[in-house]
Amino acid sequence: QVQLVESGGDLVKPGGSLRLSCAASGFSFSDYYMSWVRQVPGKGLEWVAYMSNSNGYTNYADSVTDRFTISRDNAQNSLYLHMNSLRADDTAVYYCARNLRGYIVDLWGQGTLVTVSS
Amino acid sequence: EIVMTQSPPTLSVSPGERATLSCRASQSVSANLAWYQHKPGQTPRLLLYATSTRATGIPARFSGSGSGTEFTLTISNLQSEDFAVYYCQQYNYWPTFGQGTKVEIK
Repeated sequence: QVQLVESGGDLVKPGGSLRLSCAASGFSFSDYYMSWVRQVPGKGLEWVAYMSNSNGYTNYADSVTDRFTISRDNAQNSLYLHMNSLRADDTAVYYCARNLRGYIVDLWGQGTLVTVSS
Repeated sequence: EIVMTQSPPTLSVSPGERATLSCRASQSVSANLAWYQHKPGQTPRLLLYATSTRATGIPARFSGSGSGTEFTLTISNLQSEDFAVYYCQQYNYWPTFGQGTKVEIK
């Protein structure tokens, strides 16, 4: 079954850190660029980070640059998002996303909730 | 940042009718525009990209048009499974999404 399954969402205090994971299955993970997209509950979607399939290229939203790091392990079919210096406005559901090409998502995970609150 | 504005926020349509959703970009995004459908409790679903190219498995009742700053998603002969929130997204620059249009049963 072609799917993406996120994990790692939690309640964390402002200034804290968290690592999200995404397990891919049912397709050749190493062939695809991947991304993280978030959604504040009841609000719109925001693209967070983007990573190429093999050469390590990454790109980030201005709001998370220097705080978040996207990475992947093609041998483990896994995508990660390392989040540091978390703020209240980082509270959102974080979706793992497969890129069809460029910044077009053709497969989404169910999402994992990150809540930043004291 | 390119701001995407969708209208209307909510659209009430009867099954079998046509729904027309609009999306406006704050500056030209060429034809680099995608549409997604999102139902509660489900993952978002890619409908269209490059303004009018249907994604794999998307029925022909979904169509897209436009270019530059004005885009339209048309859903013909609305089915019960089409009631959902629809988002447009530009990818000509760093990608940004609209706030969504909820299509509800009239």
